[in-house]
Amino acid sequence: AQSVAQPEDQVNVAEGNPLTVKCTYSVSGNPYLFWYVQYPNRGLQFLLKYITGDNLVKGSYGFEAEFNKSQTSFHLKKPSALVSDSALYFCAVRDIEAPGGYNKLIFGAGTRLAVHP
Amino acid sequence: SQTIHQWPATLVQPVGSPLSLECTVEGTSNPNLYWYRQAAGRGLQLLFYSVGIGQISSEVPQNLSASRPQDRQFILSSKKLLLSDSGFYLCASKGWTGVKSGANVLTFGAGSRLTVL
Repeated sequence: AQSVAQPEDQVNVAEGNPLTVKCTYSVSGNPYLFWYVQYPNRGLQFLLKYITGDNLVKGSYGFEAEFNKSQTSFHLKKPSALVSDSALYFCAVRDIEAPGGYNKLIFGAGTRLAVHP
Repeated sequence: SQTIHQWPATLVQPVGSPLSLECTVEGTSNPNLYWYRQAAGRGLQLLFYSVGIGQISSEVPQNLSASRPQDRQFILSSKKLLLSDSGFYLCASKGWTGVKSGANVLTFGAGSRLTVL
C-alpha cells in the first residue's frame, strides 16, 4: 500500500535559521510528490511538486524540496525561516493505484512549523 | 487558475439535523472533485471523489453522502448528523487550467467548519 509519513508532529526553529520538515514515502513505481501548507482555519495551499527531472524542486515563498530516491524522502527546506512561515505543512503522494488516474492524493499527518522571533 | 468557493464557512448544527455543504469551482471544466475531512486540525481523510456529473465514489462508509448535480458543483450532505461528523471539510478540484505547471495539482477551497452539538 502506498503511504507517506511525516515523522515530526512539530518543528521549532528560530527566525533566520534554516528549516527542514521531513517526509518519507512508500509507493510502487515513480512517485508524484507534493507539499502543501495550511494556515489556521484555511484550506491547503500548494507549495511545490516533484514529478520528474531535477531532484531539487523550488516552490512558492522561498521553499524548496529535495527528492531522494534511495532514501525515499522528500524533505521540505528553506534557507532562512520567517515567523510568517508558521503553519501546518502536509506532504502528499499521488495514489497511482487509484483506478482511472483520479489524482487522489494521500496526505501525511502534517507537521506544525513554529518559527520563533 | 482555479478558484473554489465553499459555503457556509462555519456551521453549528444539533445532532440529528440535516447537513448540506456546497462547493463550486471556477476556472476549469470537467474537473475531478474531492471532499476531504480534517479532524482535530491535523490529517486529511478523503471522503468522496467525483470524475463527472452524477459520478460519486465513496472512500469510507459513513453518515455522509455526496452529489454532483452540475459539472462544477459538489455537495456534501447528511440526513442526520452525528457528533463524530464535526470537523473541517475541504473541497478540492483537479482540472485543466491551460497551464502545464498546474498539472496534477489539487486546488483547495477555504473549508467549512462544522460543529455538531
